Amino acid sequence: EDQVTQSPEALRLQEGESSSLNCSYTVSGLRGLFWYRQDPGKGPEFLFTLYSAGEEKEKERLKATLTKKESFLHITAPKPEDSATYLCAVEDNQGGKLIFGQGTELSVKP
Amino acid sequence: KAGVTQTPRYLIKTRGQQVTLSCSPISGHRSVSWYQQTPGQGLQFLFEYFSETQRNKGNFPGRFSGRQFSNSRSEMNVSTLELGDSALYLCASSLSGNRKNIQYFGAGTRLSVL
Repeated sequence: EDQVTQSPEALRLQEGESSSLNCSYTVSGLRGLFWYRQDPGKGPEFLFTLYSAGEEKEKERLKATLTKKESFLHITAPKPEDSATYLCAVEDNQGGKLIFGQGTELSVKP
Repeated sequence: KAGVTQTPRYLIKTRGQQVTLSCSPISGHRSVSWYQQTPGQGLQFLFEYFSETQRNKGNFPGRFSGRQFSNSRSEMNVSTLELGDSALYLCASSLSGNRKNIQYFGAGTRLSVL
């Protein structure tokens, strides 16, 4: 069965304290791995998509990497505005269906 | 370019009633997917529509149904509402749902069942 597991469930950082979020997955035929950010009361906002092992994407303080079994979202020198829930999802072979992890709730204190 | 629009933003219903939620995709997007988000289960896939046809379906009871119109707008219906149907319902659109298409989400409809 396709499954996505994110860790940790919650992460508290001080401003400027770099860290990584993990997303491990099992899926029959990975079409893509997606990272989204979700703020309270809003829909998920697209951050990155990765398609093959070894691929990396960067955007401001965020960098996403992908291996055959997991993905990492690295946050460098975070700021309070980076506080949000970060969701990882995989798309299966059929397409159109994303399988989400439970998310990591990130809190960055000034 | 306008994003994905969901209406209404909030709904309060009672058990046994039915409800219809609406989703207008990004202009030019032909695939619309629906998800249910709850604190306990997270985001779960309901179904996906492309060119007015249901192309993929999640593990939800038949009380949950949907449709897509020729202009790609989609509606989701839940009949005989139960307390457990209280959730944030999210709609996402993509160009075609094929490989390398990104799903963009709306703000969601918050449904409360009393």
